[in-house]
Amino acid sequence: SYELTQPFSLSVALGQTASITCGGKNIGSKDVHWYQQKPGQAPILVIYRDSNRPSDIPERFSASNSGNTATLTISGAQAADEADYYCQVWDSSTVFGGGTKLTVL
Amino acid sequence: DVQLVESGGDLVKPGGSLRLSCAGSGFTFISYSMNWVRQAPGKGLEWVSYISSSSNTVLYADSVKGRFTISRDNAKSSLYLQMNSLRVEDTAVYYCAFGVAPASSLDYWGQGVLVTVSS
Repeated sequence: SYELTQPFSLSVALGQTASITCGGKNIGSKDVHWYQQKPGQAPILVIYRDSNRPSDIPERFSASNSGNTATLTISGAQAADEADYYCQVWDSSTVFGGGTKLTVL
Repeated sequence: DVQLVESGGDLVKPGGSLRLSCAGSGFTFISYSMNWVRQAPGKGLEWVSYISSSSNTVLYADSVKGRFTISRDNAKSSLYLQMNSLRVEDTAVYYCAFGVAPASSLDYWGQGVLVTVSS
């Protein structure tokens, strides 16, 4: 079965750029989606199909996908961005990465 | 507005059964495939099951295959998950979710319902 690998945790200083990676074999050939989840809340979609942002998601969220790595970038991280982030692809079924806990210092 | 409301969560003993429901509103339920996703305490998201809009296609994670059954009633805009032979490791918050495109992102999620399997 297809596997997605994310770093367990990442810290970023307030206002700096955070880059969260999602590794998978030839992931560049798949559509990658990203979710944000805050404690006690359901996940919300922040990026779909590699680099598209839903209308209610701030512009500081962007993403790319190439080769064996997809990356979610948060430019000018805010305290409100502190959350768990999950990547997801479809490979005969839905597959999630293990999640990355982002801490904003 | 799109709403997904799960219900049916409970404390159940190992080996027991439980049926979860998810009521959809604010969208044309019959048009979309649906999913169940779960999250064990302190753990990540795990996809559980998928059902196509017409129920022709159902998929299950290996961890629940043969024990869980997904179904839907389009007339009632409702999704179900029948869970049998429950194990301690099935303890989780269960979310129903769907995407506007098939085999793609999960654009809408319910708030989740807690299932606890413990003796």
